Amino acid sequence: EPEVTQTPSHQVTQMGQEVILRCVPISNHLYFYWYRQILGQKVEFLVSFYNNEISEKSEIFDDQFSVERPDGSNFTLKIRSTKLEDSAMYFCASSPGTGGRNEQFFGPGTRLTVL
Amino acid sequence: RKEVEQDPGPFNVPEGATVAFNCTYSNSASQSFFWYRQDCRKEPKLLMSVYSSGNEDGRFTAQLNRASQYISLLIRVSKLCDSATYLCVVNPPDSSYKLIFGSGTRLLVRP
Repeated sequence: EPEVTQTPSHQVTQMGQEVILRCVPISNHLYFYWYRQILGQKVEFLVSFYNNEISEKSEIFDDQFSVERPDGSNFTLKIRSTKLEDSAMYFCASSPGTGGRNEQFFGPGTRLTVL
Repeated sequence: RKEVEQDPGPFNVPEGATVAFNCTYSNSASQSFFWYRQDCRKEPKLLMSVYSSGNEDGRFTAQLNRASQYISLLIRVSKLCDSATYLCVVNPPDSSYKLIFGSGTRLLVRP
């Protein structure tokens, strides 16, 4: 069964450093997403991406964040200057984008720890 | 009112029991609804979409009540492996893309 994959599984960084989180969505999916989950809290939407551009972003997704699809398979989330409060689990998701329902499938996540 | 609200639980039930969770949503124009399951420190996994007429998948039944703006999930003959957090998820009407997650209801199934 096809699945979303993410690397690395755990990233530790110093405050102020840049990090890039990587995702490979399911191959025939058209829509890609990033969500985050701070420990003990609910899953929060960050951004959606379709046809090589951002289709929607939340208030959390400020100028420190960017997304990119550098090739036909990878989808990345970059945080330019990490803050302590960026520590969270970051989930990538993808959806087919057809059929009228927005069923999204999530990757295993990257646990980001900012020290 | 929270966009998606769930009883956090935990619901502690014996193996074989039937258990039901409810979830309420604030925006009456919401169109798509889902139940996801999340194990500790893992990703949310899609359990089932919720259709207007209600739908069943094996031991799991989902219902939608638009008039009262709530969604339910019924688990019959619960198994130990059903222990997890169940997330109620809504696609709001002003967005084709984002999902709004509830905080989840924790289920513990004991032997």
